[in-house]
Amino acid sequence: DAGVTQSPTHLIKTRGQQVTLRCSPKSGHDTVSWYQQALGQGPQFIFQYYEEEERQRGNFPDRFSGHQFPNYSSELNVNALLLGDSALYLCASSRSPDRGPGYTFGSGTRLTVV
Amino acid sequence: GQQLNQSPQSMFIQEGEDVSMNCTSSSIFNTWLWYKQDPGEGPVLLIALYKAGELTSNGRLTAQFGITRKDSFLNISASIPSDVGIYFCAGRNAGGTSYGKLTFGQGTILTVHP
Repeated sequence: DAGVTQSPTHLIKTRGQQVTLRCSPKSGHDTVSWYQQALGQGPQFIFQYYEEEERQRGNFPDRFSGHQFPNYSSELNVNALLLGDSALYLCASSRSPDRGPGYTFGSGTRLTVV
Repeated sequence: GQQLNQSPQSMFIQEGEDVSMNCTSSSIFNTWLWYKQDPGEGPVLLIALYKAGELTSNGRLTAQFGITRKDSFLNISASIPSDVGIYFCAGRNAGGTSYGKLTFGQGTILTVHP
């Protein structure tokens, strides 16, 4: 049974560019949340998607946007990249929005902005 | 963004020693979670706590949900080399605008010397 799959695993982008990260949730899960983890810090909540809608959002600018597809997979888009966007981006899936403790995290996408 | 206060930031111990770490918050949480993160991987859930005062064990790990619902601790008994990693606490509230969001601590880096 595949867990949460994220792609790509590593990515290098230039300031001002745009990036799209992808996530396939664990089988049977329908909710996807995205977190940003800067080096030496704990993950910070970006937003959560359920039924193809953004249900909750953390303190991130509008440059961060997302999408959820009918098959529950999700994308995270970041526009106008800044050096400070360099981080590990984690995707977490769960069965429904009220199953938080049941989150399964992917291994993340390491984004480096130069 | 908001983070929980987790201490200590790092620990260097000998194999076989017991470990204790804790997490405090200015906010009340309905659920406390403890995760372990290995290099290049996403966080993996160790223990979930759902009730104030609850004490839960998972093998050599024991965690407690503080009575005030603003703190939690994790103990590891008889540490072994594979316990090495970063341990994170996380709080969660269901309902309202915080539905499903996890708030993480800064992490405790554990090093175990054979």
